Amino acid sequence: DAGVTQSPTHLIKTRGQQVTLRCSPISGHKSVSWYQQVLGQGPQFIFQYYEKEERGRGNFPDRFSARQFPNYSSELNVNALLLGDSALYLCASSPGMGDYNEQFFGPGTRLTVL
Amino acid sequence: GESVGLHLPTLSVQEGDNSIINCAYSNSASDYFIWYKQESGKGPQFIIDIRSNMDKRQGQRVTVLLNKTVKHLSLQIAATQPGDSAVYFCAENINTGNQFYFGTGTSLTVIP
Repeated sequence: DAGVTQSPTHLIKTRGQQVTLRCSPISGHKSVSWYQQVLGQGPQFIFQYYEKEERGRGNFPDRFSARQFPNYSSELNVNALLLGDSALYLCASSPGMGDYNEQFFGPGTRLTVL
Repeated sequence: GESVGLHLPTLSVQEGDNSIINCAYSNSASDYFIWYKQESGKGPQFIIDIRSNMDKRQGQRVTVLLNKTVKHLSLQIAATQPGDSAVYFCAENINTGNQFYFGTGTSLTVIP
């Protein structure tokens, strides 16, 4: 079975540009969460989407936005990129909402902002 | 704010020995925990989970222990192998859907 897939694997942008990252969850999973992982740190929660609605948001500026499509895939958008946005962006999928939902991660997209 | 932390940032063990990785959490409302393994350049890999109504859970070569009294988790890896070398994270969920809080991780190195 295919796991969580993300694209692209690597991306290089310059300050001020905009970027869109994509994620396809595990088949049958309806919830997608996005995390940012800066080098040397643990992942930090950005967003959670379930049934195309935002269900949770972490402490990130409005430059970060996301959406979920009817097929449960998701996009993360970051506008006006800053050097500090350089990180590994991880997508995780879960079967649904609520307690005790196992969460599985994709390989991530490595974003470098120059 | 609430945080999840790890006692030991690095751990080196001899191949074949058992490994114990520790994690402290600060939110007593946390009710679900997952241990992840992350190899260089890859996303976190689900290892084992435990609910707050349990004290212990075993998987293949791994055991997670939860001590709610002192808000402490541990991951035990039996007969550690070179392929176990990675960074290990504990993540806690505070009954807020699938929003997990991660610590900074422990780097495990297995010496052949």
